[in-house]
Amino acid sequence: GENVEQHPSTLSVQEGDSAVIKCTYSDSASNYFPWYKQELGKGPQLIIDIRSNVGEKKDQRIAVTLNKTAKHFSLHITETQPEDSAVYFCAASNSWGKLQFGAGTQVVVTP
Amino acid sequence: NAGVTQTPKFQVLKTGQSMTLQCAQDMNHNSMYWYRQDPGMGLRLIYYSASEGTTDKGEVPNGYNVSRLNKREFSLRLESAAPSQTSVYFCASSGQGASDPEAFFGQGTRLTVV
Repeated sequence: GENVEQHPSTLSVQEGDSAVIKCTYSDSASNYFPWYKQELGKGPQLIIDIRSNVGEKKDQRIAVTLNKTAKHFSLHITETQPEDSAVYFCAASNSWGKLQFGAGTQVVVTP
Repeated sequence: NAGVTQTPKFQVLKTGQSMTLQCAQDMNHNSMYWYRQDPGMGLRLIYYSASEGTTDKGEVPNGYNVSRLNKREFSLRLESAAPSQTSVYFCASSGQGASDPEAFFGQGTRLTVV
């Protein structure tokens, strides 16, 4: 089955700097790659996703890139703000809703 | 529009007790899922239901059963709770196929088995 690895497990950045989280996946049939943000005590919430026929997608300060050949995808957050502090999860799926998650990255944005 | 609603939010069980976690969605989604979240391990799929009337095992189904009661509701049952089932449980729902893949999650049920 699918295996998703996520790095780093923790990331501390200064406010205004950029944050990058990287994930690799094993199943070449995976075609959907969402990123979720989880705040303390809440459920994960989708922040951006990308499909296998697209190499890059951007939404304001957030962007995701996908390299199908290397089987890796990354989340980029620019101009980080304190409210970006949370746990971020990448996921991969070959059947849309059924997701295989990475272990998560705790992002801390310090003023 | 509440999205995905889970009950209860917190629960403490003694080893060997049983309980049912309830989940309901109001987005008319076909697919529903139960995940568990443990520190350092992300979310792991327990069971899912691709459509009303069907259920399938996920990555970690042992010790659990599910019921897709109707299109809105998907329950998770622990027949004989064990300390290893201490976790945070999330229910999620999504549409079907490429046109509606986004999974929406509930707020979670924090379960402790002592």
